Amino acid sequence: AQRVTQPEKLLSVFKGAPVELKCNYSYSGSPELFWYVQYSRQRLQLLLRHISRESIKGFTADLNKGETSFHLKKPFAQEEDSAMYYCALTTGANSKLTFGKGITLSVRP
Amino acid sequence: NAGVTQTPKFRVLKTGQSMTLLCAQDMNHEYMYWYRQDPGMGLRLIHYSVGEGTTAKGEVPDGYNVSRLKKQNFLLGLESAAPSQTSVYFCASTTDRGLGGYTFGSGTRLTVV
Repeated sequence: AQRVTQPEKLLSVFKGAPVELKCNYSYSGSPELFWYVQYSRQRLQLLLRHISRESIKGFTADLNKGETSFHLKKPFAQEEDSAMYYCALTTGANSKLTFGKGITLSVRP
Repeated sequence: NAGVTQTPKFRVLKTGQSMTLLCAQDMNHEYMYWYRQDPGMGLRLIHYSVGEGTTAKGEVPDGYNVSRLKKQNFLLGLESAAPSQTSVYFCASTTDRGLGGYTFGSGTRLTVV
């Protein structure tokens, strides 16, 4: 069965510092990877998908199949980036998403 | 365009009571899901549906039942609520490949006392 691991629960940085939120996965096939963001007491929103190779709000994520990782990065954090971030994976079967446990990003002024 | 709407937003139940959470989507999505979100546990799949009239168990189905009588609605029922079911419940929907990502509802915060 597939699994998503987010090894850290909390990351606290100062405004303007670089950010890297780690995500590792286990799946023998070729999964589709996503990052979702949840701002305080709001619904989860899709941040980005690896298949589209896009940059959203300055965030990027590269799929590394050799290391089975999909880390989320941003060169200069902003206070409005403070939120909970979830890495998620789907194998395509019934489009079910498997989520990691999430990480809270806190950006201090 | 409302997207995914969940009702109610908040509810307090006594142990043993029953209730139904409603999820409605207006995007003509085939696939719908119910997740629960607990601190330190992330989101865990309770039940899901791949189309009208079909349902299937997810990772943590015990104590819950679901129905998908209409394509746009996905109901989650708790027959006899327990304190362990205190959680935030999220509904989500997607197209059949899911590559565009899920659209989530705003959540239902349920407390069982």
